Amino acid sequence: NAGVTQTPKFQVLKTGQSMTLQCAQDMNHNSMYWYRQDPGMGLRLIYYSASEGTTDKGEVPNGYNVSRLNKREFSLRLESAAPSQTSVYFCASSEGTVQTVYGYTFGSGTRLTVV
Amino acid sequence: EDQVTQSPEALRLQEGESSSLNCSYTVSGLRGLFWYRQDPGKGPEFLFTLYSAGEEKEKERLKATLTKKESFLHITAPKPEDSATYLCVAGSGKLIFGQGTTLQVKP
Repeated sequence: NAGVTQTPKFQVLKTGQSMTLQCAQDMNHNSMYWYRQDPGMGLRLIYYSASEGTTDKGEVPNGYNVSRLNKREFSLRLESAAPSQTSVYFCASSEGTVQTVYGYTFGSGTRLTVV
Repeated sequence: EDQVTQSPEALRLQEGESSSLNCSYTVSGLRGLFWYRQDPGKGPEFLFTLYSAGEEKEKERLKATLTKKESFLHITAPKPEDSATYLCVAGSGKLIFGQGTTLQVKP
């Protein structure tokens, strides 16, 4: 089925470890996004990419880096994981640019625990 | 400051008992108001986009409406499979997410 695929689905890290969350979409969307979802906080934008080769900071970028590898793939890297980064991470994509409001398609999420 | 507030936080209904979920927003330059459904352990699933006051959209037992300050998601004769968290999202060049209303429909 067409959509947004995230890997892994679950991950436990020790404080200070690094990891990369992978995201791929097969809908030929221009824009891709990384969000985190925490209880009582709603979804918060970490980074986004309006097109291949461009990335911009969102609301909560500290401690994260991203790479827009090509039009399909957008990865999120935690260089030195901290317990405050325990969260559920969602990747999303949309047809238009970030300044044009379209419905987003979300992946199923990565549940990350940092101990 | 742009803000989206949803109420109630949680709602329990009996199957067939109609109700409404409220979304109040204060957003400068609103370009679209979205509703999403999120099931436990899954990502949000797009339901509707509303662009202007007075607009209505329907899908099965759900109807979304929009005024200049609020949006409502009306659920008519809900079924247990409608149980989920419903997210209201305001778009103004960026997306501002509400915290959601968790709906439980009991048979």
